[in-house]
Amino acid sequence: GDSVTQMEGPVTLSEEAFLTINCTYTATGYPSLFWYVQYPGEGLQLLLKATKADDKGSNKGFEATYRKETTSFHLEKGSVQVSDSAVYFCALNGVTNAGKSTFGDGTTLTVKP
Amino acid sequence: DTGVSQDPRHKITKRGQNVTFRCDPISEHNRLYWYRQTLGQGPEFLTYFQNEAQLEKSRLLSDRFSAERPKGSFSTLEIQRTEQGDSAMYLCASSSGTAGNTIYFGEGSWLTVV
Repeated sequence: GDSVTQMEGPVTLSEEAFLTINCTYTATGYPSLFWYVQYPGEGLQLLLKATKADDKGSNKGFEATYRKETTSFHLEKGSVQVSDSAVYFCALNGVTNAGKSTFGDGTTLTVKP
Repeated sequence: DTGVSQDPRHKITKRGQNVTFRCDPISEHNRLYWYRQTLGQGPEFLTYFQNEAQLEKSRLLSDRFSAERPKGSFSTLEIQRTEQGDSAMYLCASSSGTAGNTIYFGEGSWLTVV
């Protein structure tokens, strides 16, 4: 079945550092790929998405590129802020899954001033 | 606010009691999903509805769990005879079902069984 693997956390960075959170997936065909962010005590907010190979999703300075050849969707940001501290989830919607999403276990990011 | 709303946000209950959570999806969305999330884990799919029809249930959804969406709008998730292992965040989400099928989540309902 479908699965998502994220790099293990937690990740601790200084403000203005470069961020990469790795995500790889296993799925049949061409799933849609997503990054969600979750702040403490809250639900998940969609951060960005990509629906086909080589698409780049971007939002709030975050970017991720859908790489079919490496089955990856790594999240990057050039300069993180303290307010980016949160848990980040990579997810996919498989073509045979009737739209439901499969999530990774999340990566906790802490940004220190 | 036209996002997904859930109620209550927090619930503490004694083991053996029944609890019910409500979800109001984004109004034009015909798909509604329930997920469960425990600390340190990603959300796990429980069940989903296309309009009022419940089309799929995860094996995680034991007989003590029941979900309804009677008029294809709001949904309820009831847990009967709660157990301590039911303590988790219950997330509702909705989508339009179109290409790309972005799922939009509510704030979640925290359940603590004592």
